[in-house]
Amino acid sequence: AQTVTQSQPEMSVQEAETVTLSCTYDTSESDYYLFWYKQPPSRQMILVIRQEAYKQQNATENRFSVNFQKAAKSFSLKISDSQLGDAAMYFCAYRSLSGGSNYKLTFGKGTLLTVNP
Amino acid sequence: NAGVMQNPRHLVRRRGQEARLRCSPVKGHSHVYWYRQLPEEGLKFMVYLQKENIIDESGMPKERFSAEFPKEGPSILRIQQVVRGDSAAYFCASSPKRAVEETQYFGPGTRLLVL
Repeated sequence: AQTVTQSQPEMSVQEAETVTLSCTYDTSESDYYLFWYKQPPSRQMILVIRQEAYKQQNATENRFSVNFQKAAKSFSLKISDSQLGDAAMYFCAYRSLSGGSNYKLTFGKGTLLTVNP
Repeated sequence: NAGVMQNPRHLVRRRGQEARLRCSPVKGHSHVYWYRQLPEEGLKFMVYLQKENIIDESGMPKERFSAEFPKEGPSILRIQQVVRGDSAAYFCASSPKRAVEETQYFGPGTRLLVL
């Protein structure tokens, strides 16, 4: 079974600075998707960014980018020019592309990001 | 376009009562997924439904929990005889089809508190 590990329960960053959130995963599969979801105080789950494992190029979405290291099974999220609205719980998630359960998302326990003004 | 709607947003039940959680997927989406988030945990898959069919309920407790997605109307997650351990946030997600490239869009969740 796949597992997703987020080793940083909490992180903080100064407004306008850059922060990196870590995520590692364990899988024996070669085809999969990785996601970062944001859960602000409203508790709504918001998709931040998605990475296809077959793509070598790291995904980017405005101020959000990932460092995908497939061999190391690492998928970190970098937030540049941090804003107060970035304060939230961030979840890393894995989704297999093979087998009969390719619809299931497996989540890490989350990293709580605080942005200091 | 309206996103995934869930109601109620907050639900308080006493032990032994029934809880009914509703999920209306994005218009045109026929695939619904339920996840549970226990305190201090990430979301965990419970059940996957298509219209009138349960595809995978492997993540759902065998007793007291049931789910449906009728031809008309919202998907319902039903918890009978709730216990304190059922207190959690329950999230519904939807996608237009099962295809692997499809993103699941999440609703705002229902927070269930069992007293």
